[in-house]
Amino acid sequence: GGIITQTPKFLIGQEGQKLTLKCQQNFNHDTMYWYRQDSGKGLRLIYYSITENDLQKGDLSEGYDASREKKSSFSLTVTSAQKNEMAVFLCASSMGNTGQLYFGEGSKLTVL
Amino acid sequence: GEKVEQHESTLSVREGDSAVINCTYTDTASSYFPWYKQEAGKSLHFVIDIRSNVDRKQSQRLIVLLDKKAKRFSLHITATQPEDSAIYFCAASTTNAYKVIFGKGTHLHVLP
Repeated sequence: GGIITQTPKFLIGQEGQKLTLKCQQNFNHDTMYWYRQDSGKGLRLIYYSITENDLQKGDLSEGYDASREKKSSFSLTVTSAQKNEMAVFLCASSMGNTGQLYFGEGSKLTVL
Repeated sequence: GEKVEQHESTLSVREGDSAVINCTYTDTASSYFPWYKQEAGKSLHFVIDIRSNVDRKQSQRLIVLLDKKAKRFSLHITATQPEDSAIYFCAASTTNAYKVIFGKGTHLHVLP
């Protein structure tokens, strides 16, 4: 079996700050995803990557950047954190398309 | 783009009864429909899926039905148990597309 590791687990930042979340997977999966989970709004897709160095925007990409420099890692940057923003960011991976997603434990963001 | 609507935000059933969670989708090209479970304080994990070439799939107490004409799919949990209490998310994606779109989630409570 494999595992998806998200760091940090908790991230507290200041308004306007640039904040980066990291995700590592050892499944050797091609595709990786970043979702944002807000209470009552489900999961919204921010960015996904089909392979190394590929980036695709999701429905919620504004205000975020992503980077996939290695097959095993996928980073997400909040370019300018918004005050009172609180959400859980979930990283996931899958082998190719239309296949099962495996999720990390999540990174909880709080902006003061 | 694709939208997935999950109709019940909360559902309560008595232990031993069946629970049904309904989802609809908008993109007629959608062909893969997975379901995920999120237990309290944990991340999501895959429970069952169905592809558009069949209209019914069963895995132990879980049954997924797909009505392509109505663009509707549903998760049936039979003989519910306390450990079935969780948030369930439906999702959809199209063939040869990597974008997986989720519904908002249904919080299932199994009452003793």
